[in-house]
Amino acid sequence: QVQLVESGGGVVQPGVSLRLSCEASGFTFSSYGMHWVRQAPGKGLEWVASIWYDGTDKYHADSVKGRFTISRDNSKNTLFLQMNSLRAEDTAVYYCARENPVDGGLWGWGQGTLVTVSS
Amino acid sequence: SYELTQPPSVSVSPGQTARITCSGDALPNQFAYWYQQKPGRAPLLLIYKDSERPSGIPARFSGSTSGTTVTLTISGVQAEDEADYYCQSPNSGYTSWVFGGGTKLTVL
Repeated sequence: QVQLVESGGGVVQPGVSLRLSCEASGFTFSSYGMHWVRQAPGKGLEWVASIWYDGTDKYHADSVKGRFTISRDNSKNTLFLQMNSLRAEDTAVYYCARENPVDGGLWGWGQGTLVTVSS
Repeated sequence: SYELTQPPSVSVSPGQTARITCSGDALPNQFAYWYQQKPGRAPLLLIYKDSERPSGIPARFSGSTSGTTVTLTISGVQAEDEADYYCQSPNSGYTSWVFGGGTKLTVL
């Protein structure tokens, strides 16, 4: 059974850094591209970043480019999102999700972790 | 930048058919995906590659495409279908995955 568990969220002040983790189990993590998707309170879904199955290619949304970095450790079945220079508008629930390598789309999601940026 | 446009809300009575549209210039060349999200829950994939349905998704959910618009159709709407629905599609280089703004389905 596919399981994705995010952690690392919390309340932080503007300008600081935070690293989110997503621990995967129930599937061969190293065979799947992974994504981060966020949702601000009361708002819609926003794609944040994606990474190839082997970590060789990474893509980030314009809204976080230069501040956030997606990475993975396949030996530990873990996905990361390093978030620097956090802003109030980064306040959101952050979900990790697994991409289907054949059909595309995000077929498995974690429960999300809340990041609140506030002074 | 690439955008997908959805109506903010759709309302239907139980048993009727709901149609939720998603428009984007790249949709004739890129597959679209549909997700359902209920309050406090993670999204759930409903439709992939425009019109395919994952196992376990009820047959009343279907997808179609025409030009720059894809449509999610829910036939025989049930109260439990009340949720937010999002379309998603990658850009042509698969370097960005865009979500539509979401449509809130209200079952009257």
